[in-house]
Amino acid sequence: AQSVTQLDSHVSVSEGTPVLLRCNYSSSYSPSLFWYVQHPNKGLQLLLKYTSAATLVKGINGFEAEFKKSETSFHLTKPSAHMSDAAEYFCVVSRGFRIQGAQKLVFGQGTRLTINP
Amino acid sequence: DAGITQSPRHKVTETGTPVTLRCHQTENHRYMYWYRQDPGHGLRLIHYSYGVKDTDKGEVSDGYSVSRSKTEDFLLTLESATSSQTSVYFCAISQGHEQYFGPGTRLTVT
Repeated sequence: AQSVTQLDSHVSVSEGTPVLLRCNYSSSYSPSLFWYVQHPNKGLQLLLKYTSAATLVKGINGFEAEFKKSETSFHLTKPSAHMSDAAEYFCVVSRGFRIQGAQKLVFGQGTRLTINP
Repeated sequence: DAGITQSPRHKVTETGTPVTLRCHQTENHRYMYWYRQDPGHGLRLIHYSYGVKDTDKGEVSDGYSVSRSKTEDFLLTLESATSSQTSVYFCAISQGHEQYFGPGTRLTVT
């Protein structure tokens, strides 16, 4: 069974400093992994995805993530935080098989990112 | 935004009443999903659809039913709302490996 653990429920950084949001996954199959962002009172937006191609994945707004199979990790990073990055971030794993072609996602609990001026 | 709208966006209802939430998409996507979002749980799948009249249960389906009579609409019904169903409900479609989400419906059951 697939599962995701986000290691920090809340991360606080200063504007202009690096961001690291940690995610470990468990999967019986070669996984597809995603990071989604949710700004306050908004829907979810896809930041980036890993689907067994390059292990370093670049996303929108300067975010990137590295798939490390040996560590079962998919941490999200950004070199320099901006105030607009304040949001909730979800690490997501796609189940290794598709039922009737549907894609089943398993979400982590979320990490709230706060940016200090 | 993959052309997904949800209605209503906010609803307050009383315990024991039926409630129907609507998800509408304009891009002819085959797969549609309903999730609920609760603090500390991320999003959890309620039901999904893989075609007109084809639906299946997700991990938290008790107390919910769905219907899809046409491609563009996926309805979620709370047959008899309970306070534990107070939540934010998101509809999604999948396109390849990716899922795209609607703006959400905030439901409060009093």
